[in-house]
Amino acid sequence: ETGVTQSPTHLIKTRGQQVTLRCSSQSGHNTVSWYQQALGQGPQFIFQYYREEENGRGNFPPRFSGLQFPNYSSELNVNALELDDSALYLCASSSGQGKYTGELFFGEGSRLTVL
Amino acid sequence: AQSVTQLDSQVPVFEEAPVELRCNYSSSVSVYLFWYVQYPNQGLQLLLKYLSGSTLVKGINGFEAEFNKSQTSFHLRKPSVHISDTAEYFCAGLSTGNYQLIWGAGTKLIIKP
Repeated sequence: ETGVTQSPTHLIKTRGQQVTLRCSSQSGHNTVSWYQQALGQGPQFIFQYYREEENGRGNFPPRFSGLQFPNYSSELNVNALELDDSALYLCASSSGQGKYTGELFFGEGSRLTVL
Repeated sequence: AQSVTQLDSQVPVFEEAPVELRCNYSSSVSVYLFWYVQYPNQGLQLLLKYLSGSTLVKGINGFEAEFNKSQTSFHLRKPSVHISDTAEYFCAGLSTGNYQLIWGAGTKLIIKP
């Protein structure tokens, strides 16, 4: 069983640039969610995709956008990067949808540094 | 406001000693509660969860947690810790609004030899 994989593991960008982070879900999972984890804090929910449609969003501006593909892999795109976007970005997959999506399986994250 | 509060940012404890990591949730968070562990340079892994039923929940690696509705708490315990338990532990609860997880800020468990 293949787990959740994320790429790249580390990257450095400058303010104003754009970044794309990628995630491959665990086999058989149709729901993916993205979280931002700033240093010393817990994860903050960005959004969730179920069968290629966004079905939940946290308190993040529109410059944070995403996609889920037919094979349930996913992308997180961030435009007009700001210094405060520096964080660990976590992808999690699960196999449910609705009130409780079940256990979340996390990737190891992509650490973004914005200079 | 919906919130999950972990009262200690760090808990140092000697190896083989018992440990308790504290977590409180606001009454507006649902009673679907979770503990996740994050080992250094790794992603988050589910330790245990409470959805309903017995208030004492057993998880992996010898951890257990007790759901206490009157005190809105979900503290994590282990009777004897090992050096391999060194990690950051996150408590989370399911939002009653959008059914997403609300996370605490984490507690670093530091094992002293």
